[in-house]
Amino acid sequence: NAGVTQTPKFRVLKTGQSMTLLCAQDMNHEYMYWYRQDPGMGLRLIHYSVGEGTTAKGEVPDGYNVSRLKKQNFLLGLESAAPSQTSVYFCASSRAGAYEQYFGPGTRLTVT
Amino acid sequence: DAKTTQPTSMDCAEGRAANLPCNHSTISGNEYVYWYRQIHSQGPQYIIHGLKNNETNEMASLIITEDRKSSTLILPHATLRDTAVYYCIAPYRGSTLGRLYFGRGTQLTVWP
Repeated sequence: NAGVTQTPKFRVLKTGQSMTLLCAQDMNHEYMYWYRQDPGMGLRLIHYSVGEGTTAKGEVPDGYNVSRLKKQNFLLGLESAAPSQTSVYFCASSRAGAYEQYFGPGTRLTVT
Repeated sequence: DAKTTQPTSMDCAEGRAANLPCNHSTISGNEYVYWYRQIHSQGPQYIIHGLKNNETNEMASLIITEDRKSSTLILPHATLRDTAVYYCIAPYRGSTLGRLYFGRGTQLTVWP
């Protein structure tokens, strides 16, 4: 089992560019989550999904969109990147309603 | 979610027990206590959780006071690889969602 994988591991964008982060899990989990972590801070929830075809906003959703077309994949999109979106992005998955979440290795995004 | 309070930092000698405290005085009857840790530059890792009984697994032990207002995570024989930020979380289980709110946690440094 690979667990939770994230692509890419690193990315540098210029202000205004767009990109998509891919999260994949092979544990057949219903729930998936996107978090961001800024230096010296805890994780903040961006968006989450409780099943294929469903998504919902977390604490800090502005500037991001998500899609869950397949149960195993959860995509996070930035339509017009801003320097404030420079962060480390973590994806996680869990069984339905469970608080034991499994995290990916993260994507380090820098927006200049 | 119940508010949790943890010390900002702690240190421990290698081979000794590391005892990480957490206060959750507003915890309600159906809220579990979860512990995660995050090793530098990696995604968070689930450690253990409990409701009111003490719990033990291959990673750690969790001691919850009888009034459930505080708990202690115990790493019985700390190693250098246990250096990480440790998060104590008490999510509200009335929701069907597995949302976690991460605070600043405790930076544990294990020294040789």
